[in-house]
Amino acid sequence: DAGITQSPRHKVTETGTPVTLRCHQTENHRYMYWYRQDPGHGLRLIHYSYGVKDTDKGEVSDGYSVSRSKTEDFLLTLESATSSQTSVYFCASKRTGADTGELFFGEGSRLTVL
Amino acid sequence: SQKIEQNSEALNIQEGKTATLTCNYTNYSPAYLQWYRQDPGRGPVFLLLIRENEKEKRKERLKVTFDTTLKQSLFHITASQPADSATYLCALAAGQNFVFGPGTRLSVLP
Repeated sequence: DAGITQSPRHKVTETGTPVTLRCHQTENHRYMYWYRQDPGHGLRLIHYSYGVKDTDKGEVSDGYSVSRSKTEDFLLTLESATSSQTSVYFCASKRTGADTGELFFGEGSRLTVL
Repeated sequence: SQKIEQNSEALNIQEGKTATLTCNYTNYSPAYLQWYRQDPGRGPVFLLLIRENEKEKRKERLKVTFDTTLKQSLFHITASQPADSATYLCALAAGQNFVFGPGTRLSVLP
């Protein structure tokens, strides 16, 4: 299994505060992704990265920013958290040229915004 | 508009029977489609991939079909076991990204 860890695993914060979620992978995968998962919506792509310093927006990027300064780390920042950003956040990574295009997921970060 | 649907939010079947889950999509032309398993409180885990030029793929008790004309994939688990109880997600390849369906929660009853 690819080594992908997310931190923190659980966080409770207040509306208006900044929050940063961290994703760390040890597989030297080129592609990394941040998804959020909400009941009835499934996994929705927030941002993704196709290399160091190369990122792009996904389907639900408003209110989120990302940074990737090293291959192994992909940070998701909520500049000013809102209650609508209460969700479970999953990071994933993928090798370049993999036959299966398999995504390897972390265990998720549960964020509650009060 | 683009949409991915999975046949039902929840599916209950008896142990030993075949579970069949459906993934339908509109306004996509995926080069391949994947199926993932997700257990409560865990991240999804990859199960199978099927390409647009493949009709069927098998792995142990799992079978996936892909009909690009109907825009549908079927996921079968034969001889189902209580340990197969989980949520199953389909995902369409969209370039280097993936679009996921909402998932079907399967319960296999002993």
